Amino acid sequence: NAGVMQNPRHLVRRRGQEARLRCSPMKGHSHVYWYRQLPEEGLKFMVYLQKENIIDESGMPKERFSAEFPKEGPSILRIQQVVRGDSAAYFCASSPEGTTYNEQFFGPGTRLTVL
Amino acid sequence: TQLLEQSPQFLSIQEGENLTVYCNSSSVFSSLQWYRQEPGEGPVLLVTVVTGGEVKKLKRLTFQFGDARKDSSLHITAAQPGDTGLYLCAGGVYFGNEKLTFGTGTRLTIIP
Repeated sequence: NAGVMQNPRHLVRRRGQEARLRCSPMKGHSHVYWYRQLPEEGLKFMVYLQKENIIDESGMPKERFSAEFPKEGPSILRIQQVVRGDSAAYFCASSPEGTTYNEQFFGPGTRLTVL
Repeated sequence: TQLLEQSPQFLSIQEGENLTVYCNSSSVFSSLQWYRQEPGEGPVLLVTVVTGGEVKKLKRLTFQFGDARKDSSLHITAAQPGDTGLYLCAGGVYFGNEKLTFGTGTRLTIIP
């Protein structure tokens, strides 16, 4: 009964590099959500995906950020040309198909540090 | 835009005391969830409330959803050091799969 898995747990990048964050949802879950958390703050929604589809990307910055959830493999959050302001904890959550009450289960997060 | 405000932002109390954390909004939510997050970890789901006026208990924790489904409270009886953490409320506007709107968080510290 593996939960939501994220890797890497910690990622250090220099300004201008690319960051790739991976998320494997819970077994049987087909909906994936990405959130960002700054220190001492709540979580901010970024993007919601189903297999091969982006359902809601209203929280994604317009530039440098992209997300995918391919038919096979984990969901990927990609940040190009990282800047110091991208330093944060990025969390992935998943939920099953047809949930009534939108209960989401979170992974342990990836802590991104941009030098 | 739906916003969830939590109060207090920080709370530090002695072991054995009772406390209440509030989660308020001007918007109606179809469901509201409470999570606890420990340092370096992801949020862990504690409870989901969906009916106005609903009360749910989880051992020493009591959760209530407001009648109008705009606010919620979390009451902890006889707090213990293991209750220390960041408590987050999160709401969904519609039923089914969608993004969650998170509250601003309450950082709780229980002093032994």
